[in-house]
Amino acid sequence: TQLLEQSPQFLSIQEGENLTVYCNSSSVFSSLQWYRQEPGEGPVLLVTVVTGGEVKKLKRLTFQFGDARKDSSLHITAAQPGDTGLYLCAGLGTASKLTFGTGTRLQVTL
Amino acid sequence: SAVISQKPSRDICQRGTSLTIQCQVDSQVTMMFWYRQQPGQSLTLIATANQGSEATYESGFVIDKFPISRPNLTFSTLTVSNMSPEDSSIYLCSVGVSGGTGELFFGEGSRLTVL
Repeated sequence: TQLLEQSPQFLSIQEGENLTVYCNSSSVFSSLQWYRQEPGEGPVLLVTVVTGGEVKKLKRLTFQFGDARKDSSLHITAAQPGDTGLYLCAGLGTASKLTFGTGTRLQVTL
Repeated sequence: SAVISQKPSRDICQRGTSLTIQCQVDSQVTMMFWYRQQPGQSLTLIATANQGSEATYESGFVIDKFPISRPNLTFSTLTVSNMSPEDSSIYLCSVGVSGGTGELFFGEGSRLTVL
């Protein structure tokens, strides 16, 4: 079974602060995705990283895929209340199965 | 992208009853999945809904408890049978993006509370 552990599980910060969420596994993934889920809604895809060492930026969000394609990080610069939500990483592994991470709940306050 | 509509968005049910959740997609899709999200938790795949054949269930989920229908490429239903409070969860329908990337679009979810 391929597992994806996210850390931290919960993060409460003030507007303007920076943060990093980690997604780690002992398994190799062919690609890795990050989703954000807001209360009462389904997860929404933010980005997919495919190549080891790849870095993608989406406005204030920076995503990195580990060189060995076993881990990933999400860095948010100058967090805003609109960034509040549940962040989920998901890895595409063997048999094209998608495994979701344990989740990181982010709360950004004014 | 795909627009996915789920019904009901939420429901409160009595123990021992069954509830069917509907998922409608605005375009034909090959891959359709049902996930469960327990309160404060991540997503767990229940099954892959296959058009014209029986669904493929993940370990820990069985057809008698979670029967799934997929009559065509735009519609699927998930039934939660003989419910107990442990079935209180959000149930999410999702569809896969073509191209083998594994990317998913999700419906807004159906929040089920069993008393």
